[in-house]
Amino acid sequence: GESVGLHLPTLSVQEGDNSIINCAYSNSASDYFIWYKQESGKGPQFIIDIRSNMDKRQGQRVTVLLNKTVKHLSLQIAATQPGDSAVYFCAEIRGYSTLTFGKGTMLLVSP
Amino acid sequence: NAGVTQTPKFQVLKTGQSMTLQCAQDMNHEYMSWYRQDPGMGLRLIHYSVGAGITDQGEVPNGYNVSRSTTEDFPLRLLSAAPSQTSVYFCASSPNVVAVNNEQFFGPGTRLTVL
Repeated sequence: GESVGLHLPTLSVQEGDNSIINCAYSNSASDYFIWYKQESGKGPQFIIDIRSNMDKRQGQRVTVLLNKTVKHLSLQIAATQPGDSAVYFCAEIRGYSTLTFGKGTMLLVSP
Repeated sequence: NAGVTQTPKFQVLKTGQSMTLQCAQDMNHEYMSWYRQDPGMGLRLIHYSVGAGITDQGEVPNGYNVSRSTTEDFPLRLLSAAPSQTSVYFCASSPNVVAVNNEQFFGPGTRLTVL
């Protein structure tokens, strides 16, 4: 899910489907990764995080997978609902002090 | 708890004007930060603070000043606004910079337009 210019990549799914949102990160030294959800007109909301020494973490209806070999992060949302429609950002923490965001993927869920 | 609050919600400035964006949190969080978000972009870090009296620059600090005199407040100052500073500004806070189940709480944002 890398964006080009002003256009966010968009993932369109049907309600009840599973969604997979991808993110490529740049710094192999990053310590920590977080997925955020941002609804229109609101600030980002924490979804799930994962440390760099893990490759998978599960939450409620969400799973984050980390592949350090190819510097790839994914967010899987099970049984996607219309309320999941939002922009999703991955973010990485480097040096225990700064959070760097990716450019986001828009998820559109049709009823 | 009110969480993270930001004022104002909307602001229009003329080029060269100065203003302060306010941010406050009532969760006793040590870490606070300011981001800007431009259309179709992720958030970019402007400045951050790991505790009262300590601030540091992020990715895009030019044109912005911050101070952290108390744990609760982290104002962002624009000394001479430029059209390139038109953006949505988010303030965030978290208990620690990195921790298991770390959550960074974001405010609702301030939409700034510089003419």
